[in-house]
Amino acid sequence: EAGVAQSPRYKIIEKRQSVAFWCNPISGHATLYWYQQILGQGPKLLIQFQNNGVVDDSQLPKDRFSAERLKGVDSTLKIQPAKLEDSAVYLCASGLAVTGELFFGEGSRLTVL
Amino acid sequence: QQPVQSPQAVILREGEDAVINCSSSKALYSVHWYRQKHGEAPVFLMILLKGGEQMRHEKISASFNEKKQQSSLYLTASQLSYSGTYFCGTAPRGGTSYGKLTFGQGTILTVHP
Repeated sequence: EAGVAQSPRYKIIEKRQSVAFWCNPISGHATLYWYQQILGQGPKLLIQFQNNGVVDDSQLPKDRFSAERLKGVDSTLKIQPAKLEDSAVYLCASGLAVTGELFFGEGSRLTVL
Repeated sequence: QQPVQSPQAVILREGEDAVINCSSSKALYSVHWYRQKHGEAPVFLMILLKGGEQMRHEKISASFNEKKQQSSLYLTASQLSYSGTYFCGTAPRGGTSYGKLTFGQGTILTVHP
């Protein structure tokens, strides 16, 4: 079974530039999450989707971050404009409520200079 | 509120045991444990539910003390493959909330031959 796919794996940009990350969850997983993991810290939830609808985006900095999940499958996370403190690994995860287990992708590492 | 993990780091020799604790100031409904190796995605170990049984994953087990609002992860006869950062995560009650995890800061476990 294919896992959660993310791209790009690495991205380096300058502050005030924009960046987009893509995620393809495991087939059949209705719930999708974006987490931000700053070096040395635990992942922090940014947004949760159920199918193509947003369930919780209370921790998403909406002045610069946006996310969508068109057709309830793939998702993109965009940052515009980026700040230095956005340097982190952005993890996408999908899961099934019946087991409670989350499957994480390998993440997209963002460096903002 | 972020759960607090202790210790922050543990160094073991192969075959030794370790305990990692996860405490919350809020009432817990479920506690989720993940292990993350350097540069890789977090991997699910187990989930403990309020009123549920102690869980086990290979030689790793965990308990959930509702009164103390605490969970402990027990690593028995550690193997080199156990090295990594262990995160506990707490989730609110609710059908689709299982993946809305608030992670602790992590415990770095290093197992030497």
